[in-house]
Amino acid sequence: EAGVAQSPRYKIIEKRQSVAFWCNPISGHATLYWYQQILGQGPKLLIQFQNNGVVDDSQLPKDRFSAERLKGVDSTLKIQPAKLEDSAVYLCASRQRNGNTIYFGEGSWLTVV
Amino acid sequence: KNEVEQSPQNLTAQEGEFITINCSYSVGISALHWLQQHPGGGIVSLFMLSSGKKKHGRLIATINIQEKHSSLHITASHPRDSAVYICAVPNTGNQFYFGTGTSLTVIP
Repeated sequence: EAGVAQSPRYKIIEKRQSVAFWCNPISGHATLYWYQQILGQGPKLLIQFQNNGVVDDSQLPKDRFSAERLKGVDSTLKIQPAKLEDSAVYLCASRQRNGNTIYFGEGSWLTVV
Repeated sequence: KNEVEQSPQNLTAQEGEFITINCSYSVGISALHWLQQHPGGGIVSLFMLSSGKKKHGRLIATINIQEKHSSLHITASHPRDSAVYICAVPNTGNQFYFGTGTSLTVIP
């Protein structure tokens, strides 16, 4: 079974530039999460999708972050404009509708300089 | 106060040592997850447990539901065990509370 795919793995951008991350969850997984993990901290939920609908985006900084999952499969997370404090690993994860196990991608490492 | 607390935050051990990482949580749960994150890598699920003990190779996870406490043990530690170990519990919103992780370094 293929895992959660993310790209790019690494990205370095200057502040005020924009960046987009892509995630392809495990086939058939209805729930998709984007997490932000700053070095030394646990993952923080940014947004949760159920199929193509947003379940929770209360911690997403909507002035600069956006995410979509148009067809209920792939998802993209965009940051525009980026700030220095956005430097982090962005983790995508997916889960079956009634499953207990969450599967994580390899993460996309962002450095804003 | 965080819903999930882990200790220690950082741990350095000699190869072969027995290692214990602790996790305490304050919410009611159906299951607890132990995750492993390697430098430069994503997160891998090690265990999901709701009672008692589970063993996988040199890794053992225990949970005490009454005391809201879980431990992850590594026997005969090896440098390849060096990683961040994260405890996570699901909440009622189909999301997870994560601990801040324990960074383990095993020295040859």
